Amino acid sequence: DAKTTQPPSMDCAEGRAANLPCNHSTISGNEYVYWYRQIHSQGPQYIIHGLKNNETNEMASLIITEDRKSSTLILPHATLRDTAVYYCIVKPGSSNTGKLIFGQGTTLQVKP
Amino acid sequence: GAVVSQHPSRVICKSGTSVKIECRSLDFQATTMFWYRQFPKQSLMLMATSNEGSKATYEQGVEKDKFLINHASLTLSTLTVTSAHPEDSSFYICSATGTGVQYSGYTFGSGTRLTVV
Repeated sequence: DAKTTQPPSMDCAEGRAANLPCNHSTISGNEYVYWYRQIHSQGPQYIIHGLKNNETNEMASLIITEDRKSSTLILPHATLRDTAVYYCIVKPGSSNTGKLIFGQGTTLQVKP
Repeated sequence: GAVVSQHPSRVICKSGTSVKIECRSLDFQATTMFWYRQFPKQSLMLMATSNEGSKATYEQGVEKDKFLINHASLTLSTLTVTSAHPEDSSFYICSATGTGVQYSGYTFGSGTRLTVV
């Protein structure tokens, strides 16, 4: 499975957009990019996923570069409750199969 | 939909005893369940994958005789930490996927904090 690289930490002001980058330069053609987050002492929560097109849902937007070697998760209006560790994961296929392997993630601190 | 319930949320046990953690899918059939372990300030580490009715597949370095996984039904998987020692103290998290869930598929439990004294 392709490896991902994320900055260890980021800060964001409350109400502003949080842009979390992820590098996945060795991603394969059949691998999707997934984003999860983990609020302290809880289980991870699914945010969004995509293959090559940009995606948006009620939580966030996912921008994937044309060469698919990197992506950015955008939280449009960060709140204090968005403070969490954000994980970018690549996995073959979008079906409910295969393992999710977590890297170190980015700790996002949203500040008042 | 796609709710996974994990129990207990916290457990303290004496060294040498065994502890069982349950993971239940409440509104879908969990054909596959995953067990993770997370030490403080570290990421989640996958321990094993279990498919309903089959033996679990353990990741390299995980002792299968110490971490017993049972996935006998489509709604329940259990992780038993046998002969627990202080170094087994950790945050254990299950995840489930299967039929009847919306795409994203991988729903996580809220975790179990195990402290071995």
